[in-house]
Amino acid sequence: DSGVTQTPKHLITATGQRVTLRCSPRSGDLSVYWYQQSLDQGLQFLIQYYNGEERAKGNILERFSAQQFPDLHSELNLSSLELGDSALYFCASSGGLGGTYNEQFFGPGTRLTVL
Amino acid sequence: KNEVEQSPQNLTAQEGEFITINCSYSVGISALHWLQQHPGGGIVSLFMLSSGKKKHGRLIATINIQEKHSSLHITASHPRDSAVYICAVTDFGNEKLTFGTGTRLTIIP
Repeated sequence: DSGVTQTPKHLITATGQRVTLRCSPRSGDLSVYWYQQSLDQGLQFLIQYYNGEERAKGNILERFSAQQFPDLHSELNLSSLELGDSALYFCASSGGLGGTYNEQFFGPGTRLTVL
Repeated sequence: KNEVEQSPQNLTAQEGEFITINCSYSVGISALHWLQQHPGGGIVSLFMLSSGKKKHGRLIATINIQEKHSSLHITASHPRDSAVYICAVTDFGNEKLTFGTGTRLTIIP
């Protein structure tokens, strides 16, 4: 158990809908990362938050947004869903000052299926 | 942008064999990570290293910074080692991971 929790574990929805994925980092970790794993693209970085502020952005679509709350949990919002958004979404956290050498701990993931 | 390549893509071996998975990257990095993804999908961090060698149980990870290459070794392999092993790097100046495509390892009893 990494200490990172994600809800829900599975999500099935229809095209055009909006969903919210939730992540709670390990106790004391200030950085939260969101990653997407799809069959055709593999694992890709979406976005990072550090202590409530956006720190880095990757291949995140404009239809997607995220935020980190004062209690450090984070939410990833996916809207106007398309079939191609079906994927495993992972959250990871790392600790302390958010320095480059921090190990990342992964949550169990949320499997999103868009029908 | 860093490119991360792994080889082989798939590896099947008999129980007890010594396993080597390779990873190369194109641009200097601050750290290299080896991750394990089980069939259920969960990802576990095995190693994070920036130089030299690390060992944990039957797993050994090495990195050669000059050659931009890392290897993950498994000694006395066991069927429970069957998983996808993913190499990832963090570049200087940021903390996000850039991933290789993974190596699917199957250990046959």
